[in-house]
Amino acid sequence: EIVLTQSPGTLSLSPGERATLSCRASQSVSSTYLAWYQQKPGQAPRLLIYDASSRATGIPDRFSGSGSGTDFTLTISRLEPEDFAVYYCQQYGSSTGCSFGQGTKLEIK
Amino acid sequence: QVQLQESGPGLVKPSQTLSLTCTVSGGSISSGDYYWSWIRQPPGKGLEWIGYVYYSGSTHYNPSLKSRLMILVDTSKNQFSLRLSSVTAADTAVYYCARLRSDLWSGVYFDNWGQGTLVTVSS
Repeated sequence: EIVLTQSPGTLSLSPGERATLSCRASQSVSSTYLAWYQQKPGQAPRLLIYDASSRATGIPDRFSGSGSGTDFTLTISRLEPEDFAVYYCQQYGSSTGCSFGQGTKLEIK
Repeated sequence: QVQLQESGPGLVKPSQTLSLTCTVSGGSISSGDYYWSWIRQPPGKGLEWIGYVYYSGSTHYNPSLKSRLMILVDTSKNQFSLRLSSVTAADTAVYYCARLRSDLWSGVYFDNWGQGTLVTVSS
């Protein structure tokens, strides 16, 4: 089983600031199989990034993903009020299936 | 636009079987590019992948749930279903059905989700 560990658990920032969220895997993950999601209270998660760095349809370009191997990053260049939410990374392995990180809560400072 | 909708009882007694159905509209469940998945989220906690089914009926389950789990597909109704047996309070969660896109070049990711349904396990 591949365990994804996200840090920090909570990130307190102000609108306009830059957010950097980390996702570390317990063993190497193909970047093709790493995705990021945003979840707001009472809503289903929404796909932001797939293939580690490709934005999903309709996702603003202030969201970007990077990384390889065991270390991946989601960056939000300039925070908008609607970006405050919980963010999850997710990986897929052909033998192990899917798993999610525990989430990073991005809150308004 | 493909939409997914969960349905089923919101309350299940301990030791009984939790059964949910996901109805897919606006597209065919038999599309070869997708796996049809269940994910759950206990109140106030993170996401847990449960398993998925392909339109052919092949499945892949979370090992931690495998002994109690069955995911089935009904292509004639464009639906797939979840059955989790011997439930306890720890199975209380919002259950989401989701479409898992599998592409050799762009990866494997959940690109479409249902709104989720809360299932409470309690006597």
